[in-house]
Amino acid sequence: GENVEQHPSTLSVQEGDSAVIKCTYSDSASNYFPWYKQELGKGPQLIIDIRSNVGEKKDQRIAVTLNKTAKHFSLHITETQPEDSAVYFCAASRPGTYKYIFGTGTRLKVLA
Amino acid sequence: EAGVTQFPSHSVIEKGQTVTLRCDPISGHDNLYWYRRVMGKEIKFLLHFVKESKQDESGMPNNRFLAERTGGTYSTLKVQPAELEDSGVYFCASNPTGREKLFFGSGTQLSVL
Repeated sequence: GENVEQHPSTLSVQEGDSAVIKCTYSDSASNYFPWYKQELGKGPQLIIDIRSNVGEKKDQRIAVTLNKTAKHFSLHITETQPEDSAVYFCAASRPGTYKYIFGTGTRLKVLA
Repeated sequence: EAGVTQFPSHSVIEKGQTVTLRCDPISGHDNLYWYRRVMGKEIKFLLHFVKESKQDESGMPNNRFLAERTGGTYSTLKVQPAELEDSGVYFCASNPTGREKLFFGSGTQLSVL
């Protein structure tokens, strides 16, 4: 079945450094790729998303890139801050469905 | 605006017992979803309601799981009888039709001993 691989599972960076999380999807029909951030004790929250007709999208310190040919997409966080510490999930879905295939999550720790 | 509310936040039960999880979506959201995350693994889709109808229940693991959405408002997910492998965090999410962004609840941590 369809799956999304996510790496790394844990990532520690110094405050101010950049963090990159990578995902690979298997379903070539996927066209929507959201990223969710889950803070301790809360549910996942959408932070950025990208559609298959766009190669890159940026929102302040976060950006997402998509390579449809390779079926890769990545989350980039620049100038990391302690409040960026959380679990990040990538996901993929195909047109006409709200069923998301999530990755296994990346626990990001930003060290002050 | 109130978010998606899930109850209880934690539940510890013994194998063979029954547990019912509840989800109150954001008012006006026709779509309601249940997802589950087993320790360290992906968040896995269980099912999708559109109003009171089950649109997609392809992710339900087996017939020990029963989901309902009375009157198209809140939803319940019953596990009967619970097994050890049912342990995990059960998330509920909702969204309005036509919008892809999911609004998640805080989840119910289910532990089956």
